[in-house]
Amino acid sequence: AQSVAQPEDQVNVAEGNPLTVKCTYSVSGNPYLFWYVQYPNRGLQFLLKYITGDNLVKGSYGFEAEFNKSQTSFHLKKPSALVSDSALYFCAVRDIRDSSYKLIFGSGTRLLVRP
Amino acid sequence: DGGITQSPKYLFRKEGQNVTLSCEQNLNHDAMYWYRQDPGQGLRLIYYSQIVNDFQKGDIAEGYSVSREKKESFPLTVTSAQKNPTAFYLCASSQGPLNTEAFFGQGTRLTVV
Repeated sequence: AQSVAQPEDQVNVAEGNPLTVKCTYSVSGNPYLFWYVQYPNRGLQFLLKYITGDNLVKGSYGFEAEFNKSQTSFHLKKPSALVSDSALYFCAVRDIRDSSYKLIFGSGTRLLVRP
Repeated sequence: DGGITQSPKYLFRKEGQNVTLSCEQNLNHDAMYWYRQDPGQGLRLIYYSQIVNDFQKGDIAEGYSVSREKKESFPLTVTSAQKNPTAFYLCASSQGPLNTEAFFGQGTRLTVV
């Protein structure tokens, strides 16, 4: 069965410092991996995805993520955090061998960037 | 203006009532999804549909029903059989290939009163 784990409920960083939000996954085949961000009482916004190729993918708002197959991880990173990055972040996975289009989400990590 | 529209934004339901949440997309996407969001539990899949007139149960389908009579519409009915319906409901859609991201609506917050 597919699953996604986000081990940290909350991540706190100071503005200007680098940030990392962790994600590990479990699928039977190869994964398609996604990161989304959610602001209060809003829907999810797509940030970036890993499909194939370069393990480092770049996305919106200066975010990037590194795919590590041996560690089954897809951590979200940003070199310099902004207060406006404070939000709820979700990692999601699809199994490349699952034709159902199901997108499985982690439990979310709240990012708090302090001025 | 392309996107996914969910309505209403807020919905109040009395116990024992059925309510229907609307989801419409003009992105010409094949697949549509309904998720439920509870604090600390992330998003859980209720139902999904890959094509018109076809849909499958997700992980928490009990107490919910859907229809997919048109490509652009995927309404969700929360029935009286759903014992704890208070939650934030999110509708999403994606194009056919598995490597494409899903786009989300702004959500409907349902409260049982």
